[in-house]
Amino acid sequence: EPEVTQTPSHQVTQMGQEVILRCVPISNHLYFYWYRQILGQKVEFLVSFYNNEISEKSEIFDDQFSVERPDGSNFTLKIRSTKLEDSAMYFCASSPQVNEKLFFGSGTQLSVL
Amino acid sequence: AQSVTQPDIHITVSEGASLELRCNYSYGATPYLFWYVQSPGQGLQLLLKYFSGDTLVQGIKGFEAEFKRSQSSFNLRKPSVHWSDAAEYFCAVGPQTGANNLFFGTGTRLTVIP
Repeated sequence: EPEVTQTPSHQVTQMGQEVILRCVPISNHLYFYWYRQILGQKVEFLVSFYNNEISEKSEIFDDQFSVERPDGSNFTLKIRSTKLEDSAMYFCASSPQVNEKLFFGSGTQLSVL
Repeated sequence: AQSVTQPDIHITVSEGASLELRCNYSYGATPYLFWYVQSPGQGLQLLLKYFSGDTLVQGIKGFEAEFKRSQSSFNLRKPSVHWSDAAEYFCAVGPQTGANNLFFGTGTRLTVIP
């Protein structure tokens, strides 16, 4: 089965630093997403992306966050100035169409020190 | 407001025993319902989903779930658990409006003992 690939699997950064999390969605998918899971809490929706623009975002996705599809294969999440509370597992997902099955990557564990 | 409750944080069952994982939801309209599984070091894998029609849905790996509108529940079941089923299980709801912003429960960790 095709996979969503996320790199790195674990990233450590200092508070206030910028971080970019990278994802390679499945090649023929059109919808892309970021979710996150703070340790011990729910998996939370951050943002969805379609046709090179954000289609929906949650309250968590404030001005510190941005997403980009810089080329035909990568989908990135940038956190401009990381805070301690940004420490979480970040999941990328993609789907061929809206309301189709979401394929999730294995996640990037972000630790902000 | 949308919410998903998985009341059991951790469940331990013996291999070969039956399993039921509970999920209750609160949603303003008829939702789409999902169960995902996460094995250590892996991403979230879809087990099954309910959109409409037959309220008993079959999924992969021998799992099934039943949608009960009157109880706002979507419990996951398996008649005979295998050691490889040990994982974290997440229930999720999503809108039928064409968006894909899923609301997840906090998950239930399943331990399988020999």
